[in-house]
Amino acid sequence: QSLLTQPPSVSAAPGQKVTISCSGSNSNIGNNYVSWYQQLPGTAPKLLIYDNNKRPSGIPDRFSGSKSGTSATLGITGLQTGDEADYYCGTWDNTLRAGVFGGGTKVTVL
Amino acid sequence: QVQLVQSGSEVKKPGSSVKVSCKASGGTFSTYTITWVRQAPGQGLEWMGRIIPTLNMANYAQKFQGRVTITADTSTRTAYMELSSLTSEDTALYYCARDVDKGYDLGYWGQGTLVTVSS
Repeated sequence: QSLLTQPPSVSAAPGQKVTISCSGSNSNIGNNYVSWYQQLPGTAPKLLIYDNNKRPSGIPDRFSGSKSGTSATLGITGLQTGDEADYYCGTWDNTLRAGVFGGGTKVTVL
Repeated sequence: QVQLVQSGSEVKKPGSSVKVSCKASGGTFSTYTITWVRQAPGQGLEWMGRIIPTLNMANYAQKFQGRVTITADTSTRTAYMELSSLTSEDTALYYCARDVDKGYDLGYWGQGTLVTVSS
């Protein structure tokens, strides 16, 4: 059972928006930055968002991140078929003194 | 351009050990954190441990304490992850990753190394 809770799946039609939630605690999200990763089928994870809301170079602004208290959210606008992937949130846990990931959310484009 | 290249697939017997390497090119190696993450078939990402090469300081997830050793050789810009007492539940893809700057924001990933544990 992951310390960070994500919905198992979300779906929407092309062009629409989806949001993925990541719920944690004061031990992790509440006191650390959150990152988001995209994992396309058969590939290594790729950093989409770091420091809660920053995008690495090359990541389109269709992807956005936010954090409030002990929860974080990834938003994807203008959904494309190429966005079909698994998405993971991640951060540090101060009690465990270890990195933690959410269980992952599968995004399906209808 | 930071690149991480991992060693090839391994097939191991239960009870044995495996050592996976991760060679970095581009960027600075020593002062960043190299983290190891694994992914069992059809499962999510699991944080195993990390090392700061310049400090030669590693810390591990409680689940793997006593069974995993992460090391780094700054002269060859290579990090290693050794996992012992393998069981079938250790069959997974093992990834190394380098942070952006916080130690846990994994901005650069290796291609993954498949470790299969089978008798």
